[in-house]
Amino acid sequence: DTAVSQTPKYLVTQMGNDKSIKCEQNLGHDTMYWYKQDSKKFLKIMFSYNNKELIINETVPNRFSPKSPDKAHLNLHINSLELGDSAVYFCASSQASGRASREQYFGPGTRLTVT
Amino acid sequence: KQEVTQIPAALSVPEGENLVLNCSFTDSAIYNLQWFRQDPGKGLTSLLLIQSSQREQTSGRLNASLDKSSGRSTLYIAASQPGDSATYLCAVLVHKFYFGSGTKLNVKP
Repeated sequence: DTAVSQTPKYLVTQMGNDKSIKCEQNLGHDTMYWYKQDSKKFLKIMFSYNNKELIINETVPNRFSPKSPDKAHLNLHINSLELGDSAVYFCASSQASGRASREQYFGPGTRLTVT
Repeated sequence: KQEVTQIPAALSVPEGENLVLNCSFTDSAIYNLQWFRQDPGKGLTSLLLIQSSQREQTSGRLNASLDKSSGRSTLYIAASQPGDSATYLCAVLVHKFYFGSGTKLNVKP
């Protein structure tokens, strides 16, 4: 049973297109995250939702818009894709948020390539 | 701003060796610290979580220690095996998680 799943696993698209990545967790966690891992393998948080409410919104271009329809799902929509958006995007979840956060569990990642 | 550093960036050891991976952080006011492994092309797998009030955690051949006052954590791997080859990342929780850039470990048969 997959705990945190993401679709698609690979995404190749042209500059200027709009694309979405979906994430689902079946762990019963109340907090979900989106991370970006660049070519140097550095992981940086982009967004975090707790019970469908946005609690962390890093300095990410507003072309990136997260949406959480319920606490088990967190999707990421990207408008007007740019070359610099090419990276691996990871979804993660944990129980609780802030100082009460427990272990994070990660999805397998979505490798986005913008040509 | 919290900065997390992992040294060395890469490490190659023969099978059977005991080894230590290091993680340092600049702001000691953390809530917890988590160690992960990442296999090529895969997501992160949680190894150990240490709460700020704890000094160490153990799981099998892995032992993680935490010294908040000095801003350091170590991950000790006993009797390393080729299957341990991966990138190991540490992350500290302040109001959000901050990750180090990882140590790429290669265990040679």
